[in-house]
Amino acid sequence: SQQGEEDPQALSIQEGENATMNCSYKTSINNLQWYRQNSGRGLVHLILIRSNEREKHSGRLRVTLDTSKKSSSLLITASRAADTASYFCATDAEGGYQKVTFGTGTKLQVIP
Amino acid sequence: DADVTQTPRNRITKTGKRIMLECSQTKGHDRMYWYRQDPGLGLRLIYYSFDVKDINKGEISDGYSVSRQAQAKFSLSLESAIPNQTALYFCATSDFRGGNEQFFGPGTRLTVL
Repeated sequence: SQQGEEDPQALSIQEGENATMNCSYKTSINNLQWYRQNSGRGLVHLILIRSNEREKHSGRLRVTLDTSKKSSSLLITASRAADTASYFCATDAEGGYQKVTFGTGTKLQVIP
Repeated sequence: DADVTQTPRNRITKTGKRIMLECSQTKGHDRMYWYRQDPGLGLRLIYYSFDVKDINKGEISDGYSVSRQAQAKFSLSLESAIPNQTALYFCATSDFRGGNEQFFGPGTRLTVL
């Protein structure tokens, strides 16, 4: 079963706008990661946030984590056409034998 | 050169055939994983290995087997392929010191007729 569920399943925005994707998960975690996948290709790691962190930035990416609500959000600011991809959250669960579990993904389309 | 490579990249086969997908990595990571991806289902873990002598079943191991031939090589076999094993298969590696950040190969698109 999936640990993480992303919302929305699909998102379409204009270039320059911000894109926000959410992830909810079920069990306590060690960390949560976000990945990007361009169509049919391997996933690429974007950012990792540990369970004792609340917010993290990397370039145009901002990730927040609320462990009390078991949720995370990924914000991409000033989006570009090249940001068009699917985005997945992945959780490293406490007691999960240190393997990550992926959500079902948000498909983002950025229109030039 | 890519850090994680997979062969073949595409494969079409028939029901009942035995298929092997291979994965090699030059990252020096101990941990290796096999996932399958189906539309709308995200990635699901098939098998994982934390070192050469450690093999573990994942969420959907039925119908699959693996072999960890060396630290750098992890192969996935479909003993008798069936059409619902048609999917995109990914190999990944991680280093326990890196918070389990996964590094993915380019994927193998497998079609079982």
